[in-house]
Amino acid sequence: GAVVSQHPSWVICKSGTSVKIECRSLDFQATTMFWYRQFPKQSLMLMATSNEGSKATYEQGVEKDKFLINHASLTLSTLTVTSAHPEDSSFYICSARDDPTSGRRYEQYFGPGTRLTVT
Amino acid sequence: RKEVEQDPGPFNVPEGATVAFNCTYSNSASQSFFWYRQDCRKEPKLLMSVYSSGNEDGRFTAQLNRASQYISLLIRDSKLSDSATYLCVVRGAGNMLTFGGGTRLMVKP
Repeated sequence: GAVVSQHPSWVICKSGTSVKIECRSLDFQATTMFWYRQFPKQSLMLMATSNEGSKATYEQGVEKDKFLINHASLTLSTLTVTSAHPEDSSFYICSARDDPTSGRRYEQYFGPGTRLTVT
Repeated sequence: RKEVEQDPGPFNVPEGATVAFNCTYSNSASQSFFWYRQDCRKEPKLLMSVYSSGNEDGRFTAQLNRASQYISLLIRDSKLSDSATYLCVVRGAGNMLTFGGGTRLMVKP
């Protein structure tokens, strides 16, 4: 299957700092990328959907000024957690959906996740 | 009511047992259905799609009942390596995936 990478895989930062997480589709072009957050013992919750070259669409309750998403190319999306606080500690997972012209029918591939701990 | 509901478990079963998970979804317009597996601290991975006619992949059998908006996963001859959280996932309008809360399975020797 297609490969999606995330970097870093884990990060510890101090409260008040910003953290950038990268999501890359390695062998396909991703028109759409998704960012999820998963707290312990809970399911994945969609934070936002980003389409290449346009502004991200945020889910209700997700602060767009706190979670900055940039999808500048068909293979890279970034999530920046600004002014991180301990309650932002979570497992952040990106997912990329391939271009519909690829022949595959809107398959969605997940990155390995980034574990963020804010102290 | 959650869009996709699952019993969180955990289901503790001995090796070799047969175990079944259920899932219900609220949006009757949902288009596609999947079971994902998620290991601790890892990303979810697609286990299998679920088709209306029911489908089987080795020890795993998935069933869909659109009238009841109900999805099931049956695992036969459980292995220790089957221990994981199983996520029921529904694709709806706009090709968006909605995840259930997951059912945790622990297979004991």
